[in-house]
Amino acid sequence: DGGITQSPKYLFRKEGQNVTLSCEQNLNHDAMYWYRQDPGQGLRLIYYSQIVNDFQKGDIAEGYSVSREKKESFPLTVTSAQKNPTAFYLCASSIKGQLGNTIYFGEGSWLTVV
Amino acid sequence: RKEVEQDPGPFNVPEGATVAFNCTYSNSASQSFFWYRQDCRKEPKLLMSVYSSGNEDGRFTAQLNRASQYISLLIRDSKLSDSATYLCVVNSRNEKLTFGTGTRLTIIP
Repeated sequence: DGGITQSPKYLFRKEGQNVTLSCEQNLNHDAMYWYRQDPGQGLRLIYYSQIVNDFQKGDIAEGYSVSREKKESFPLTVTSAQKNPTAFYLCASSIKGQLGNTIYFGEGSWLTVV
Repeated sequence: RKEVEQDPGPFNVPEGATVAFNCTYSNSASQSFFWYRQDCRKEPKLLMSVYSSGNEDGRFTAQLNRASQYISLLIRDSKLSDSATYLCVVNSRNEKLTFGTGTRLTIIP
């Protein structure tokens, strides 16, 4: 089945540790995104990539890093520099259509810093 | 002013009723608009795109008002399963989508 796979679904991290969230898609979409969602809040864009080997910072990129070495993969690293990393992280990909980008999400990863 | 604004609710509506909510956007150059549905602790899922002429999908109707810069979602004959948070999404800036904070809807038996 085509879709976006995020792993792990639940992750606990100690303060000061880096952690990498995986995101793989087999939809053949060019663009991929990482969003963060905090309780009762909207989605905030961390990083996005429109093509392999290229990515841009979103609205809250500080403390995060990404890579886009393959079209299918867009991993996100949450570094120790991220002050408040506990959140729900959503990976997404999009296809450009007549009505603009339609975005599809993976099931999300819950990160908790302990 | 936020790029995309929604009334957070919650809207508590009896089953079978009709409910509507709006979403306003600030960038008049916005090109595309969507409604997503998000269940508790789940990912958002596309509910419907919003066409300039308005569009309907079963019990759901979406409208776009460019003059007043808002989109709307109307749900008729609401079901218990319609309980969710509804996110407004606007393509405002070069391939980036801006999400509203969502409107929480609870359908009451």
